[in-house]
Amino acid sequence: KQEVTQIPAALSVPEGENLVLNCSFTDSAIYNLQWFRQDPGKGLTSLLLIQSSQREQTSGRLNASLDKSSGRSTLYIAASQPGDSATYLCAATGANNLFFGTGTRLTVIP
Amino acid sequence: EPEVTQTPSHQVTQMGQEVILRCVPISNHLYFYWYRQILGQKVEFLVSFYNNEISEKSEIFDDQFSVERPDGSNFTLKIRSTKLEDSAMYFCASSSKDRPNSYEQYFGPGTRLTVT
Repeated sequence: KQEVTQIPAALSVPEGENLVLNCSFTDSAIYNLQWFRQDPGKGLTSLLLIQSSQREQTSGRLNASLDKSSGRSTLYIAASQPGDSATYLCAATGANNLFFGTGTRLTVIP
Repeated sequence: EPEVTQTPSHQVTQMGQEVILRCVPISNHLYFYWYRQILGQKVEFLVSFYNNEISEKSEIFDDQFSVERPDGSNFTLKIRSTKLEDSAMYFCASSSKDRPNSYEQYFGPGTRLTVT
């Protein structure tokens, strides 16, 4: 069964800093790797999806990479802002479902 | 921009009662999912649904759960006899798979179910 782990569990950074969130998965036979943002008590907002044949995707200040062979993905956030404060979830895609990590709770201090 | 919607946003029910959670997926999507997130825990897969039948279900999705697409727009999750441990946020998602190997799922805002 696919297991997804995210480290660190929580991260606090000053505004303007660049940061990296890590995600690892045990089964490399994934279709995609999807990163989400979750605000407290809210739903999941899809940030980036990396297909299994790709190595990275970029959207604005966000860049996600994927290394299937090592079972790792990273989410890089450039020039962090207080509005980036949220929990970031990664999810490895199987054929019919997503396997989620426990998330990294990010706090950006003004 | 099209989005997945869910109703109600919050449902309170007594243990043993039946609840139906409703979702309207994105209109051109063909694949539908339910997930749940118990407070402070991971988002967990419950079930996927395609072509009017279940594609895959997890161990959590036992006989107390059922899903249905009663018409062309709604997708429902029914819990027949709720237990305290069913209290969670329930998320509906949909995807189109319109591009090869594209399984991007779009999530609704969730329904918070509280069983008392």
